[in-house]
Amino acid sequence: DAGVIQSPRHEVTEMGQEVTLRCKPISGHDYLFWYRQTMMRGLELLIYFNNNVPIDDSGMPEDRFSAKMPNASFSTLKIQPSEPRDSAVYFCASSSLGWGEDTQYFGPGTRLTVL
Amino acid sequence: QKEVEQNSGPLSVPEGAIASLNCTYSDRGSQSFFWYRQYSGKSPELIMFIYSNGDKEDGRFTAQLNKASQYVSLLIRDSQPSDSATYLCAVRRGSTLGRLYFGRGTQLTVWP
Repeated sequence: DAGVIQSPRHEVTEMGQEVTLRCKPISGHDYLFWYRQTMMRGLELLIYFNNNVPIDDSGMPEDRFSAKMPNASFSTLKIQPSEPRDSAVYFCASSSLGWGEDTQYFGPGTRLTVL
Repeated sequence: QKEVEQNSGPLSVPEGAIASLNCTYSDRGSQSFFWYRQYSGKSPELIMFIYSNGDKEDGRFTAQLNKASQYVSLLIRDSQPSDSATYLCAVRRGSTLGRLYFGRGTQLTVWP
């Protein structure tokens, strides 16, 4: 398996622009998670899905952030409009719930810089 | 009280020593416990998971779980410079399927 795939790996944009981050989870996994990591705040859960349905989006910082999972093999995290404080590494992770199988596997991350 | 708390670190040990990383959690109903390693600029990768009280060994790594004390630890024996990384403790609560709660991590440096 190729693991969790994220794109782009790096994104540099200007304040006010729309940013879309993409994620392909591991095939067969029914949970998908979006995290944001910064030095100041560590690893923060933004939102997670189960069977393509959002379960908890309480970590989404504000309405500028939105996430979708149209099918089991694809998810997007969108920021519109972007702000410099959104600069961070965004990780996607997936897992499959079951005894001994609920390990989360992380993608390589997208390093976002908003100028 | 945070869900998962770890030693703030940084922790620095000489090569060959035992590194001890500690983690406490707040939800007594937590069921699954994980240790992830994250190298600088990389994504977290799983080192070990543990579900039952006691010790679980995998090579140079030993995870220890004490549910009564709500405490989980990771011991790294014969530490190597390649073990230098940030170690994240994560916990799955019994009431929240799927989601893991992560600590802030402990930065470990193993010096030659």
